[in-house]
Amino acid sequence: KAGVTQTPRYLIKTRGQQVTLSCSPISGHRSVSWYQQTPGQGLQFLFEYFSETQRNKGNFPGRFSGRQFSNSRSEMNVSTLELGDSALYLCASSLGAGGDAYEQYFGPGTRLTVT
Amino acid sequence: GENVEQHPSTLSVQEGDSAVIKCTYSDSASNYFPWYKQELGKRPQLIIDIRSNVGEKKDQRIAVTLNKTAKHFSLHITETQPEDSAVYFCAPRKGGQAGTALIFGKGTTLSVSS
Repeated sequence: KAGVTQTPRYLIKTRGQQVTLSCSPISGHRSVSWYQQTPGQGLQFLFEYFSETQRNKGNFPGRFSGRQFSNSRSEMNVSTLELGDSALYLCASSLGAGGDAYEQYFGPGTRLTVT
Repeated sequence: GENVEQHPSTLSVQEGDSAVIKCTYSDSASNYFPWYKQELGKRPQLIIDIRSNVGEKKDQRIAVTLNKTAKHFSLHITETQPEDSAVYFCAPRKGGQAGTALIFGKGTTLSVSS
């Protein structure tokens, strides 16, 4: 099975712009979670989508949003970028239901730099 | 919300020694307890996990033990090798709600010297 893929891998944006990141989960996985990784704050949960519905949300401002499509692919959007949004954005996929529902597998991440 | 703490934050051992990393959590509804390994510049990788109905699980040189009463679980690595050098994260599942959200600890940097 192919692993979790994320595009783009690297992105440089200017403060005030918006950005959209994409994640394709492992085939058969219906849950996609997004995490932000920074040296200061570590790995922080953003949100989780399951069957096109947001099932969980972390403590991030409304500038961070996401969605999931019927094929389980997910996108996250950050509007009005701030310098502090510079981070590695990781998505993780899991079955989302059933015995192995919780096992999450990470993509390679998108490195976002805001200047 | 869930409060997750890992100790120690850094750990240096000699090749062949054992390493133990402890994770404490606050949400008594948490019921899934994984450990992730992240090598420099790479994605986090699930190395072992345990569910709340089990006290210990082993996989070759690594093991995880869970104490639900005390709300902590630990990663044990025996016969450490240089390739075990990485950052290790505990990530108990956020309890009390449907979903698979993981709340990560700050990480433990393990250095194994030969």
